[in-house]
Amino acid sequence: AQSVTQPDIHITVSEGASLELRCNYSYGATPYLFWYVQSPGQGLQLLLKYFSGDTLVQGIKGFEAEFKRSQSSFNLRKPSVHWSDAAEYFCAVGPPQGGDKLTFGTGTRLAVRP
Amino acid sequence: DADVTQTPRNRITKTGKRIMLECSQTKGHDRMYWYRQDPGLGLRLIYYSFDVKDINKGEISDGYSVSRQAQAKFSLSLESAIPNQTALYFCATSDPTSGPYNEQFFGPGTRLTVL
Repeated sequence: AQSVTQPDIHITVSEGASLELRCNYSYGATPYLFWYVQSPGQGLQLLLKYFSGDTLVQGIKGFEAEFKRSQSSFNLRKPSVHWSDAAEYFCAVGPPQGGDKLTFGTGTRLAVRP
Repeated sequence: DADVTQTPRNRITKTGKRIMLECSQTKGHDRMYWYRQDPGLGLRLIYYSFDVKDINKGEISDGYSVSRQAQAKFSLSLESAIPNQTALYFCATSDPTSGPYNEQFFGPGTRLTVL
């Protein structure tokens, strides 16, 4: 069965510092890959997604993610974190044949130091 | 106005009570989902519906039931609530015509506490 691992439960970074959130997946084939953000008191919002093609994907709010097939990873990055980026971040995968059923990781909670 | 709304936003109830959580959407999407979120477990799919006549169990459907009253409304019921159903519940929608894999749009969540 497919699975998604986000090894970091909590991360704290200083405002202006760079950020990388890790996501590893286990799947028989390359799945569809997503990053969602959940701000306090809000639902989840899609940051970016990867289906195929260029392995570096640009998303909203200045985020990007890189797909590395050899490492089964889809890490999320941001060059300079803003205080408003404090939130919980979820990686998710969907089967390569499509169908909308997503498997979510357990999430990484990001705190931003002023 | 929010595209996906959930009512109530917070609910405290007692063991054994019947609870209904409601979801409405104005996005015109055919597909709707119910998830629960637990700390350290991420989101898990409870039920999903691809149209009014198509309802499917998800990963953790035991103890839950759903009703798709219309394209825009999808309700989740706990027939006899138990404390381990205390969680944050999310409704989501997606549009199957937008591509092979479709962004899901989430409501703000309902925090349910079962005492």
